[in-house]
Amino acid sequence: DVKVTQSSRYLVKRTGEKVFLECVQDMDHENMFWYRQDPGLGLRLIYFSYDVKMKEKGDIPEGYSVSREKKERFSLILESASTNQTSMYLCASSTGTGVNQPQHFGDGTRLSIL
Amino acid sequence: KQEVTQIPAALSVPEGENLVLNCSFTDSAIYNLQWFRQDPGKGLTSLLLIQSSQREQTSGRLNASLDKSSGRSTLYIAASQPGDSATYLCAVRGFQKLVFGTGTRLLVSP
Repeated sequence: DVKVTQSSRYLVKRTGEKVFLECVQDMDHENMFWYRQDPGLGLRLIYFSYDVKMKEKGDIPEGYSVSREKKERFSLILESASTNQTSMYLCASSTGTGVNQPQHFGDGTRLSIL
Repeated sequence: KQEVTQIPAALSVPEGENLVLNCSFTDSAIYNLQWFRQDPGKGLTSLLLIQSSQREQTSGRLNASLDKSSGRSTLYIAASQPGDSATYLCAVRGFQKLVFGTGTRLLVSP
């Protein structure tokens, strides 16, 4: 089974801090994704990556950056956290062979910015 | 811009009922449609993926159908159980990404 692991289930940070969310997958997947999930808005794509050192902006990249130095690890960075970034963050991965491969999700990180 | 709608937003049924969850999307140019389950405070679990060339997929008590031309999909759950209580999300795959609906929250009471 695919295992996508997010380093923290719950995280509390202060406004202005630099925040790192880590995601690791164990299936040698090429594609990795970061989403945020908010009530009434559903899941929205922040950034994604098709390969090491490669990144693409999703629908809501403002205020975020990402890093993919190794194939198995995809990090989301909040450069200067703000209260409107309080949310549930979900990481996903999929194999790169074709478009009909399902995305596999981690358990999420519930981030609160005070 | 692709928009995905799920109706109803919430559904409560007694155990044993057969039920249908609905998903509609505005742009029929999709590669596939995926149904997920999400338990409270957890991530998403993939249930079924229907490719654009397919009409339906089945897994156990779950059956998902896809009518791409009309922009609709249904998830049919047979003989519902309390363990089926969760939020069900559908997502359509476009050129580069998945677009999600906001989900249907299902409660199956014993």
